[in-house]
Amino acid sequence: QQQVKQSPQSLIVQKGGISIINCAYENTAFDYFPWYQQFPGKGPALLIAIRPDVSEKKEGRFTISFNKSAKQFSLHIMDSQPGDSATYFCAASKGAQKLVFGQGTRLTINP
Amino acid sequence: ETGVTQTPRHLVMGMTNKKSLKCEQHLGHNAMYWYKQSAKKPLELMFVYSLEERVENNSVPSRFSPECPNSSHLFLHLHTLQPEDSALYLCASSQLAGGYNEQFFGPGTRLTVL
Repeated sequence: QQQVKQSPQSLIVQKGGISIINCAYENTAFDYFPWYQQFPGKGPALLIAIRPDVSEKKEGRFTISFNKSAKQFSLHIMDSQPGDSATYFCAASKGAQKLVFGQGTRLTINP
Repeated sequence: ETGVTQTPRHLVMGMTNKKSLKCEQHLGHNAMYWYKQSAKKPLELMFVYSLEERVENNSVPSRFSPECPNSSHLFLHLHTLQPEDSALYLCASSQLAGGYNEQFFGPGTRLTVL
């Protein structure tokens, strides 16, 4: 019930393409869904987050799509760039409780 | 300094050594966390401190001993570690105030146990 399942484990996208990473959760009490971006040798950095009262949130080239009935949310990176190559983690939490993280997706953008 | 800082950034220790990892947050947050990141379990929560009290200990072996002397500082004391403890140790902080758990991470300490 506390798990967040993330897929795929790794993803290769051509420059300019759309990168899509998916997460699914079981706990319907979760009400906060952030995505973190981590570059090699660095700690994860908050990229974008969504609350379940909206179905989509966009910040620049990054969009979260949220499907409450399916208990799924996804990260879309439009016009993917080599600088987007990193590991991405989805997470979920209920209120101020601990974050539950997905397993991570290693994204590679080929020039 | 801004955000969350961690020292040292790299640490190599033998199995009989005693060392400590330090984390400092400059964000005025009231909760701090230790995570272990390895290839097998990418982000594994170890300890949670809220208002300087340990509120969670995820079955971490006693060779890891956390300490939170105040709301800005967090330590992880290490002794008699095993090679499988080699990993990136991440510290994070958040402000737990009636909303959601927006965590900010430090750069991590890369630990190698020989």
